[in-house]
Amino acid sequence: GAGVSQTPSNKVTEKGKYVELRCDPISGHTALYWYRQSLGQGPEFLIYFQGTGAADDSGLPNDRFFAVRPEGSVSTLKIQRTERGDSAVYLCASSLKGTSSGSSYNEQFFGPGTRLTVL
Amino acid sequence: GNSVTQMEGPVTLSEEAFLTINCTYTATGYPSLFWYVQYPGEGLQLLLKATKADDKGSNKGFEATYRKETTSFHLEKGSVQVSDSAVYFCALSAFNDYKLSFGAGTTVTVRA
Repeated sequence: GAGVSQTPSNKVTEKGKYVELRCDPISGHTALYWYRQSLGQGPEFLIYFQGTGAADDSGLPNDRFFAVRPEGSVSTLKIQRTERGDSAVYLCASSLKGTSSGSSYNEQFFGPGTRLTVL
Repeated sequence: GNSVTQMEGPVTLSEEAFLTINCTYTATGYPSLFWYVQYPGEGLQLLLKATKADDKGSNKGFEATYRKETTSFHLEKGSVQVSDSAVYFCALSAFNDYKLSFGAGTTVTVRA
């Protein structure tokens, strides 16, 4: 079946612009996660949705970052007034449920990512 | 807080060589431990996992044992292939948590 998809695959923007990154999770997965991967680093947690609500947004770096999941499926990560330091690969993952990652119900399936470059 | 430290790369090996990638962690309680792999042009994939001390995760010829006494989860494969060329990430999630904390990744290149 279809995996997690993310669009666009690449996004180049200018400093100060607004961008939206989209994630389509695996059908039926109630939990959705956003991570950010800077060059040479591992992914860092940004936000977690259980259904439509953001259950944990503790990883968002500042109030320029916002994410929504209005119907409990597709999610959009929104970045306002982009800065050069926002350049990174933004990864989306989904899992069947949002319980402990050790549980077989919570294997996180990752999308290919969106590479954001802020000039 | 929770953190993962893994061996820096890049690592270059010949086919059929033995591969070890070291991973140590810091966490309170009893985390679950994971190895993820990212093949060129693809997304992160779960390679193996272990959820309690002394568990051994294994998949595709790779193995890792959860060692609580040394807070380690080293990845090993006895005979690598060119198709194992990828970036490998060690990760953990705290007990009863959903967030993954990743190491910086180790790039492995296997030459024919």
